[in-house]
Amino acid sequence: QKEVEQDPGPLSVPEGAIVSLNCTYSNSAFQYFMWYRQYSRKGPELLMYTYSSGNKEDGRFTAQVDKSSKYISLFIRDSQPSDSATYLCAMSALANDYKLSFGAGTTVTVRA
Amino acid sequence: DTGVSQDPRHKITKRGQNVTFRCDPISEHNRLYWYRQTLGQGPEFLTYFQNEAQLEKSRLLSDRFSAERPKGSFSTLEIQRTEQGDSAMYLCASSPAGQAGTQYFGPGTRLLVL
Repeated sequence: QKEVEQDPGPLSVPEGAIVSLNCTYSNSAFQYFMWYRQYSRKGPELLMYTYSSGNKEDGRFTAQVDKSSKYISLFIRDSQPSDSATYLCAMSALANDYKLSFGAGTTVTVRA
Repeated sequence: DTGVSQDPRHKITKRGQNVTFRCDPISEHNRLYWYRQTLGQGPEFLTYFQNEAQLEKSRLLSDRFSAERPKGSFSTLEIQRTEQGDSAMYLCASSPAGQAGTQYFGPGTRLLVL
C-alpha cells in the first residue's frame, strides 16, 4: 500500500462547477500538507499549504485537513477551463526531514 | 525572485551515455531537493541538500547517480551509463530556512534515453 493514496481520475466537470479532490495517507507523522497544480510537461506549482489540521481558503481554493481520519481535500469553486490540470497532493514531516510524499495526481478537465 | 530554474529542459541521449542536469534554486533558499517523476505518477524523492551538505539519498538513487551542490548555491545531478529506465522528468525544488515544509519546484528536465 502506498503511503499517500489519490484517485487518478480523470475528472471532468462543466465550467462553474465545484471540483472536489482528496487524498488519504497512512503516516501519522505527516504535519505539512500541500496541493500542487501541474500542467502538462511542466513542473508542479504550489497552490495551497496547510500545517496540521484545519481549513485554509485562498480565493476560489479551499484546503481541508482531517488528521484524525488521515484525509485531506481540495475544493475549487467556480471552476474555469484554465483550472484543467493534474492536481497533486503532497505531505511531509519533520521526522523525515520534510521530504515530500506525493499522491499519483488527479487529472481534471473543466469543460467550457 | 525568478523562481527555481533548471537546465536543460529536455535531453535525449543514447543508452550508456552520461548526462548532467543543473538546478538553480530560489536565491537564499538553503534546502534543495531532487525528485523524479514518471508518467502518471507523482514525483519521488531522490536526494536533498542543506546548504552544501548532501543529507540523504533515496534507495532509488543507484551508484550511477551523483549529485553535488558546491558552495550551497546551484546543484548538479549526473547520471552515468544511462539506461532506458532512467527516462523520466527530473525535478528540482528549493525551500527557505525556517519553512522547510514548503517546496517550490522548477520546470523540470525531461530525459529520454534511447
